[in-house]
Amino acid sequence: QKEVEQDPGPLSVPEGAIVSLNCTYSNSAFQYFMWYRQYSRKGPELLMYTYSSGNKEDGRFTAQVDKSSKYISLFIRDSQPSDSATYLCAMMGAAGNKLTFGGGTRVLVKP
Amino acid sequence: DAGVTQSPTHLIKTRGQQVTLRCSPKSGHDTVSWYQQALGQGPQFIFQYYEEEERQRGNFPDRFSGHQFPNYSSELNVNALLLGDSALYLCASSRQLVNTEAFFGQGTRLTVV
Repeated sequence: QKEVEQDPGPLSVPEGAIVSLNCTYSNSAFQYFMWYRQYSRKGPELLMYTYSSGNKEDGRFTAQVDKSSKYISLFIRDSQPSDSATYLCAMMGAAGNKLTFGGGTRVLVKP
Repeated sequence: DAGVTQSPTHLIKTRGQQVTLRCSPKSGHDTVSWYQQALGQGPQFIFQYYEEEERQRGNFPDRFSGHQFPNYSSELNVNALLLGDSALYLCASSRQLVNTEAFFGQGTRLTVV
């Protein structure tokens, strides 16, 4: 079983809809939770990170962490075709020196 | 600011050969980590370099080795290439071992034939 599980998708939504992404994990030592966006043939780009449990909002993006359930989510409001990409969750322990990634969810926002 | 730069962008090698990939970190960053991303998968941690030393290593064989130079740039070497080594190799840089805001390069696409 992988440490971090993520539905590969693809997830197809109409423009303007809310995109809902999530990951589950098994390692209770994870303290930092990140979301990356990766366009085809490009490197991952950090969207936001959260420390421990709670919510964090940045523009159209909201990240949620529920450590009791070992479950994290990313919501994208007012989705745009330019949001079409693969979204990767990543996690890190307190030492903060190694990222463990999920497999990524491919998202397609249709005009 | 040039960000993280990797070279080359694409590479084709034959089984059994050796390859060297290069990475220049983002300005102000001193820590470099390498990841392997197979097609359709998430990146997997190979190792991390800080102060010219390997600080942590993932579950990769000794065929994978690296180096960090005094200017913080880094190389990843892979010996005795296997077909399964075909992947996108990503370099990430950060400050002082803290990877909460790691910046990734565009990667080197390695194909082993």
